[in-house]
Amino acid sequence: QVQLVQSGSELKKPGASVKVSCKASGYTFTTYAINWVRQAPGQGLECMGWINTNTGSPTYAQGFTGRFVFSLDTSVSTAYLQISSLKSEDTAVYYCARRTVDYGDRGFNWLDPWGQGTLFTVSS
Amino acid sequence: DIQMTQSPSSLSASVGDRVTITCRASQGISNFLNWYQQKPGKAPKLLIYATSSLQSGVPSRFSGSGSRTDFTLTISSLQPEDFATYYCQQSYTNLYTFGQGTKLEIK
Repeated sequence: QVQLVQSGSELKKPGASVKVSCKASGYTFTTYAINWVRQAPGQGLECMGWINTNTGSPTYAQGFTGRFVFSLDTSVSTAYLQISSLKSEDTAVYYCARRTVDYGDRGFNWLDPWGQGTLFTVSS
Repeated sequence: DIQMTQSPSSLSASVGDRVTITCRASQGISNFLNWYQQKPGKAPKLLIYATSSLQSGVPSRFSGSGSRTDFTLTISSLQPEDFATYYCQQSYTNLYTFGQGTKLEIK
């Protein structure tokens, strides 16, 4: 079945870097983009941006430029999120999700499936 | 950016109740509106896409309607497993935005 499996939780110190993986299976990886979504503790969902899995071109939402990098390894159907110079406010659960598209004439699109989430905790 | 505003932020209801959650976009988004359900400690789950299309496997008590800037999610008869947080999300632009969420609690 179509699924996204993310790497496990991470505990990091401020200033460190972290990289989370999102491995896709059950479909052709390069057909659909991958979105990244952040959820801070007790907060709502925030779209960080997305990466075109066909071209590798990333698009970042406001507030997620500079320290955040989306990348791919299409040979293993995996997307990556790297965050550098970690701050305590980066503590959150990070989700990847497939941007599923109805390639009919309207082009409706939505996020499904989602990875199970990866908790980053940044603490000294 | 397109802002999405949900109301109410929280809601108490009983099993069997009919519940409606609203979502308003800061500009017209046609029917590019999706709804998700999230339970504590779990990833969000797609319920409805393109305003009113029910995702496969989602019970028919869930329905969506609206267009342009105003949208609703209705649960016709609440079941115990429906107590969760619900998010709307616009997909009119490539940079998606979510509503702030509506937490549905047991009365």
